[in-house]
Amino acid sequence: SAVISQKPSRDICQRGTSLTIQCQVDSQVTMMFWYRQQPGQSLTLIATANQGSEATYESGFVIDKFPISRPNLTFSTLTVSNMSPEDSSIYLCSVVWPYTGELFFGEGSRLTVL
Amino acid sequence: AQSVAQPEDQVNVAEGNPLTVKCTYSVSGNPYLFWYVQYPNRGLQFLLKYITGDNLVKGSYGFEAEFNKSQTSFHLKKPSALVSDSALYFCAVRASGSSNTGKLIFGQGTTLQVKP
Repeated sequence: SAVISQKPSRDICQRGTSLTIQCQVDSQVTMMFWYRQQPGQSLTLIATANQGSEATYESGFVIDKFPISRPNLTFSTLTVSNMSPEDSSIYLCSVVWPYTGELFFGEGSRLTVL
Repeated sequence: AQSVAQPEDQVNVAEGNPLTVKCTYSVSGNPYLFWYVQYPNRGLQFLLKYITGDNLVKGSYGFEAEFNKSQTSFHLKKPSALVSDSALYFCAVRASGSSNTGKLIFGQGTTLQVKP
């Protein structure tokens, strides 16, 4: 299985600021995925990040708010821009393990916006 | 549209008793079904999946799930619950024909509380 590391694990941010979350995988993967888990709710896919191309965003999510980088096959970042309290969530990085098709998740980055 | 329903927000069971966490799904075509567990302040951990084949799937920590196509259900079960099983459980689905292998539709989650 893949080992996925996320930084920061948690942060408290001020309204109007931006925060970049990093995701590192211990093996090369074609696609990486960013999910959001709002308080007390389920997970929703934000975007799919492919190396060498722009990320593909799901309905309701836009690049200006959630810019994503994917500089190589083991690393991705998600930025939450111009944050508001509604952005308080857990943001999870995930990858599909190519040998089994399972989706593995990082530990998540818990964001609180004041 | 694809969807997953977990009809119970919380399931309470005594340690040693069998447990069931319910999940029903709606998807076009054949479903790929998954169960994940989330412990407090942790990410999601994969428990088990159904892709094809045997309707009874065995997974991690003694959990199993039964795929029922006619009832479009994929209930999670364990013969004897442990206090350490207390956590938040998510059911998820992906259509077999989906081009995005990482896009899962998750249910709302069910909190399992196992009491000693």
